[in-house]
Amino acid sequence: DAKTTQPTSMDCAEGRAANLPCNHSTISGNEYVYWYRQIHSQGPQYIIHGLKNNETNEMASLIITEDRKSSTLILPHATLRDTAVYYCIVRFAYSGAGSYQLTFGKGTKLSVIP
Amino acid sequence: DTGVSQDPRHKITKRGQNVTFRCDPISEHNRLYWYRQTLGQGPEFLTYFQNEAQLEKSRLLSDRFSAERPKGSFSTLEIQRTEQGDSAMYLCASSFALDRDNQPQHFGDGTRLSIL
Repeated sequence: DAKTTQPTSMDCAEGRAANLPCNHSTISGNEYVYWYRQIHSQGPQYIIHGLKNNETNEMASLIITEDRKSSTLILPHATLRDTAVYYCIVRFAYSGAGSYQLTFGKGTKLSVIP
Repeated sequence: DTGVSQDPRHKITKRGQNVTFRCDPISEHNRLYWYRQTLGQGPEFLTYFQNEAQLEKSRLLSDRFSAERPKGSFSTLEIQRTEQGDSAMYLCASSFALDRDNQPQHFGDGTRLSIL
């Protein structure tokens, strides 16, 4: 799996949009971008994933650049409960060799400030 | 969808003892994964099963670590002769994967192991 680079930490004011960047310049054409978050003392929580197109669900939006070398996770209206470590991961799209594991980095610690 | 369940949530034991953790995956998921997470680090992959078959175990940290999934449902992770360095959070995840359909992994809240 390709490596990702994320800022170590970020702050966001409550109620504002949180934009979390991720660089994955060596991503291959059959690798998805996944985002997970981990709130203290809990397991990682799946947020969203995408291949080429931008994606949106009830939790967040994922914006992937046209060259696929970077992406941004957007939490549209951050709350205090969004304070967590956010992990950007690339993973093979198909169920075959190399697709089974998630390779986590250290992620971005997002602090939502009242 | 009741989520991935892990038991116990916390385990404290003396060095040299054996410990076993249990994971109950989401019922329709055919894949089950084990990860370990130490303080300040992201989770680290250990092993995974597809149904009852253990398809990758080379990442298990030593021969003291073993995992089973006897009927393709729940799984256990055992650590024999525990050492101080085994203190960590042990996470289980599950997913559905079939041919070109590779769905996201969903995690439990882990078992925190402390070795005295």
